[in-house]
Amino acid sequence: EPEVTQTPSHQVTQMGQEVILRCVPISNHLYFYWYRQILGQKVEFLVSFYNNEISEKSEIFDDQFSVERPDGSNFTLKIRSTKLEDSAMYFCASMRVSYNEQFFGPGTRLTVL
Amino acid sequence: DQQVKQNSPSLSVQEGRISILNCDYTNSMFDYFLWYKKYPAEGPTFLISISSIKDKNEDGRFTVFLNKSAKHLSLHIVPSQPGDSAVYFCAASARGNNDMRFGAGTRLTVKP
Repeated sequence: EPEVTQTPSHQVTQMGQEVILRCVPISNHLYFYWYRQILGQKVEFLVSFYNNEISEKSEIFDDQFSVERPDGSNFTLKIRSTKLEDSAMYFCASMRVSYNEQFFGPGTRLTVL
Repeated sequence: DQQVKQNSPSLSVQEGRISILNCDYTNSMFDYFLWYKKYPAEGPTFLISISSIKDKNEDGRFTVFLNKSAKHLSLHIVPSQPGDSAVYFCAASARGNNDMRFGAGTRLTVKP
């Protein structure tokens, strides 16, 4: 069964460093998402991406964040200058068509020291 | 952002009994609701969904009920099994809006 994959599973970085989290969505899906979950808190929407552009973003997704679909398969989340409070699980999700269920990857645990 | 609320952080039930997980929402524009299950160290897994044109959707042991006037939905699991022990998230979205809002989750423990 097709699934969303994410790499790395765990990323440790120093505050102020740039990180890139990678995702490979399900191949025939058209909508792509990033969510995060700070330890002990709810899953929070960050950004959605469709037709090679951001379709929606939350207030969390500030100028430090960017997303890219550099080729036909990868979907990346870049945090330009990480802060301690960026430490969280980051989940990628994809959806085949609008108004449907999203399929989530296993997550990347980001630890900012 | 409290548009989707799950007021019970945890629930414990005996194997074979019914589990009822509740969710409330405030945004009247939401018209599509989903339940996800999450195990530790894994991403959320889709369980069941319901659109606002229906008030009930059933899939095996899982049934979701939607009460639009009360802005309330619930997930029933019958019979509950130990393997159902996980965190359950309620999520909602609005047509034409591709983001999804999650509740805080309810940790279900099914005791053998």
